Amino acid sequence: AQKVTQAQTEISVVEKEDVTLDCVYETRDTTYYLFWYKQPPSGELVFLIRRNSFDEQNEISGRYSWNFQKSTSSFNFTITASQVVDSAVYFCALRDTSGTYKYIFGTGTRLKVLA
Amino acid sequence: NAGVTQTPKFRILKIGQSMTLQCAQDMNHNYMYWYRQDPGMGLKLIYYSVGAGITDKGEVPNGYNVSRSTTEDFPLRLELAAPSQTSVYFCASSTQITGLGSPLHFGNGTRLTVT
Repeated sequence: AQKVTQAQTEISVVEKEDVTLDCVYETRDTTYYLFWYKQPPSGELVFLIRRNSFDEQNEISGRYSWNFQKSTSSFNFTITASQVVDSAVYFCALRDTSGTYKYIFGTGTRLKVLA
Repeated sequence: NAGVTQTPKFRILKIGQSMTLQCAQDMNHNYMYWYRQDPGMGLKLIYYSVGAGITDKGEVPNGYNVSRSTTEDFPLRLELAAPSQTSVYFCASSTQITGLGSPLHFGNGTRLTVT
């Protein structure tokens, strides 16, 4: 069965600190897709990144970086030099290719960046 | 380009009333989804559809019904509203081109309160 675990319920950091949000997933499929979404206080869900299971190359985009490790079933998200505008709930999601076309979400991590 | 449009944005229902949450997308996406987000929780899948005329249950379908008569529209029907259905409802869509693992595109949500 598919499962996404975000063990960190809430994280507080001071502005300019680096912060890593953890995501651990479970799936029996060999081909699957992982996603990160951001939900700012305004409530909308914003797509941040997608990673395919056959592409373990890590990615950096500005202050954001993602570390995908199949060996540990983890897809962690790091914000470097955090800013108050990064305060949001971040969701990790999984879609496998078993044919169900479902996207399974973790419970989210609330990040608070303090000025 | 409107993307995914949900109406209404807010609604208060009395116990036992019924209503339909509307969702429309203009991206010609085959796949559409309904999620609910309870306060401080993640997203739980209610129903999804892989094309016009095809729907399937997600994790929490009880108390809801859906239909998909066109590619664009995917309304969610609540019959006999209960306080447990107080939540924020998100509609989403995606295209499923093989090998790309397309992300979900979300609407802005409908905040429903049942009293």
